[in-house]
Amino acid sequence: EAGVTQSPTHLIKTRGQQATLRCSPISGHTSVYWYQQALGLGLQFLLWYDEGEERNRGNFPPRFSGRQFPNYSSELNVNALELEDSALYLCASSSGVGGPGGYEQYFGPGTRLTVT
Amino acid sequence: QKEVEQNSGPLSVPEGAIASLNCTYSDRGSQSFFWYRQYSGKSPELIMFIYSNGDKEDGRFTAQLNKASQYVSLLIRDSQPSDSATYLCAVNKVISNFGNEKLTFGTGTRLTIIP
Repeated sequence: EAGVTQSPTHLIKTRGQQATLRCSPISGHTSVYWYQQALGLGLQFLLWYDEGEERNRGNFPPRFSGRQFPNYSSELNVNALELEDSALYLCASSSGVGGPGGYEQYFGPGTRLTVT
Repeated sequence: QKEVEQNSGPLSVPEGAIASLNCTYSDRGSQSFFWYRQYSGKSPELIMFIYSNGDKEDGRFTAQLNKASQYVSLLIRDSQPSDSATYLCAVNKVISNFGNEKLTFGTGTRLTIIP
């Protein structure tokens, strides 16, 4: 079974530009999550999409946005890039069907965004 | 107080010994608990999850949960050099109707297994 895939692997942008990152979940998974992992910092939750809808959002400015397509793949857009946006962006997916407490999330390999 | 706290380490353990990783959380409404392993430059890999108080074993790994103490731990028996990585504890609170809300991660414990 194919895992979560992300593209591109690396992305280099200059300050002020826009970046688009893509994610395809595990087949059968309907929920997609985006996280930011900056150097020296932990994983920070960005966005959660399920069935095409944004379900929850982390403490990030509105220039971080995204969407989920009918095939459950997802796109993260970061507008007006700033130097501190340089980080590893991770996508995870879950099936929404799990144990009594929750739903396991599986991560993709990530996109390394560098803003110069 | 951080929502999820872990000792950042580094934690050094001799090969073949038991590595013990600990995590505390602040939200008593938390219901699901996960351990991820992250090698340097790679993405997190799910290795264990636990929902109920007590122990859950999977091969060399044992997760332990104590909701009264708001404490979750991971034991790695017969530690191998390949276990050297950062271990992330993650905690989830389920919202009814929509299920999974988000995972809140600790900052991770760096584990080094010494041959």
